[in-house]
Amino acid sequence: ETGVTQTPRHLVMGMTNKKSLKCEQHLGHNAMYWYKQSAKKPLELMFVYNFKEQTENNSVPSRFSPECPNSSHLFLHLHTLQPEDSALYLCASSQVAAGGTEAFFGQGTRLTVV
Amino acid sequence: DAKTTQPPSMDCAEGRAANLPCNHSTISGNEYVYWYRQIHSQGPQYIIHGLKNNETNEMASLIITEDRKSSTLILPHATLRDTAVYYCIVRVAGGSEKLVFGKGTKLTVNP
Repeated sequence: ETGVTQTPRHLVMGMTNKKSLKCEQHLGHNAMYWYKQSAKKPLELMFVYNFKEQTENNSVPSRFSPECPNSSHLFLHLHTLQPEDSALYLCASSQVAAGGTEAFFGQGTRLTVV
Repeated sequence: DAKTTQPPSMDCAEGRAANLPCNHSTISGNEYVYWYRQIHSQGPQYIIHGLKNNETNEMASLIITEDRKSSTLILPHATLRDTAVYYCIVRVAGGSEKLVFGKGTKLTVNP
């Protein structure tokens, strides 16, 4: 139990489908993140939310749409994805702190686009 | 954030110390060194971080050279469960924890 829960753990979707990934953190943190990990590639930061406000979008295509309704929940809405979007999507949270702190990651959602 | 260089893979015998090196020759004075690991198909796990002094916690020790251009993560008594990819990351502390991951070092602990 890491304190960051992601659902679903596995998802298969067609290219015309719309689906959402959910992340919930029970740690009282004020920052949340989406990362993508494609096969044989390093983790890539996608989005950052501080105090529910999006502070970073790393040139992510608009077919990925994040939503942060409160500091405990983060969603990633998916639509018209491509097969190359198949990857492990990881959510993380942390407490904004001056001296640096640790980020806690969820177990990820394994997404397959067919 | 500064770049880091790590060996792609290392092996270690169970029960022995695992010493994982990281080069970060362009690190700035306000950048910290972080270590995370990722066990196969799981989310990364924080291990330790430091600025310039050596650090130790229940998982590992972090040794940073005096010029801060390199560091070593030490797992004092490696177990089979320590088999994972270990990432060394340098970043300015403060604000959100935006982590830029490289390819890391795949550590295999052998029985």
